[in-house]
Amino acid sequence: NAGVTQTPKFQVLKTGQSMTLQCAQDMNHNSMYWYRQDPGMGLRLIYYSASEGTTDKGEVPNGYNVSRLNKREFSLRLESAAPSQTSVYLCASFRERGIGYTFGSGTRLTVV
Amino acid sequence: KQEVTQIPAALSVPEGENLVLNCSFTDSAIYNLQWFRQDPGKGLTSLLLIQSSQREQTSGRLNASLDKSSGRSTLYIAASQPGDSATYLCAVSRAGNNRKLIWGLGTSLAVNP
Repeated sequence: NAGVTQTPKFQVLKTGQSMTLQCAQDMNHNSMYWYRQDPGMGLRLIYYSASEGTTDKGEVPNGYNVSRLNKREFSLRLESAAPSQTSVYLCASFRERGIGYTFGSGTRLTVV
Repeated sequence: KQEVTQIPAALSVPEGENLVLNCSFTDSAIYNLQWFRQDPGKGLTSLLLIQSSQREQTSGRLNASLDKSSGRSTLYIAASQPGDSATYLCAVSRAGNNRKLIWGLGTSLAVNP
């Protein structure tokens, strides 16, 4: 089915470890986004990519890096994980008309 | 600075009831407003997208309205069912190339059989 695919679905990291969260969309959307979702704080934008080859910081970029590998893929990297990065990470893509934003099912990350 | 508020934070209703969820925003210069549904432990599902030039959108038992001048949107759910139980989030998009979303904290809805 067309949509946004995120991997992995669950991950436990030790403090200081690194990892990359993967996101891919097959809807030919130009814009892609990474959010984190925390209880009581809602969704906060980490990074976004308005088009292939461009990336920009959102509200909470510290501790993260991103790569827009091609039009389909937008990855999020944690270089040195911290317990404060325990969260649910949501990737989305955007279409100007019609459905608007489409979200993946999320990655639940725990840093111990 | 745009702020989005959703009231009530939680709502519990008996099955079959018609209900209204509210979303308010402080800056009327929005590009669009979108309603989402989130089931526990899952991602977000888009329900309705209203462009700033539109007044409402309908999908099945759902109807969303937009009043930019008053900074309000409502999501109307007709004949609620237990399967409608979820958290409903509204988000507004700012004008500009990035279309970043500003989110409310959501309304947690429980529809009781």
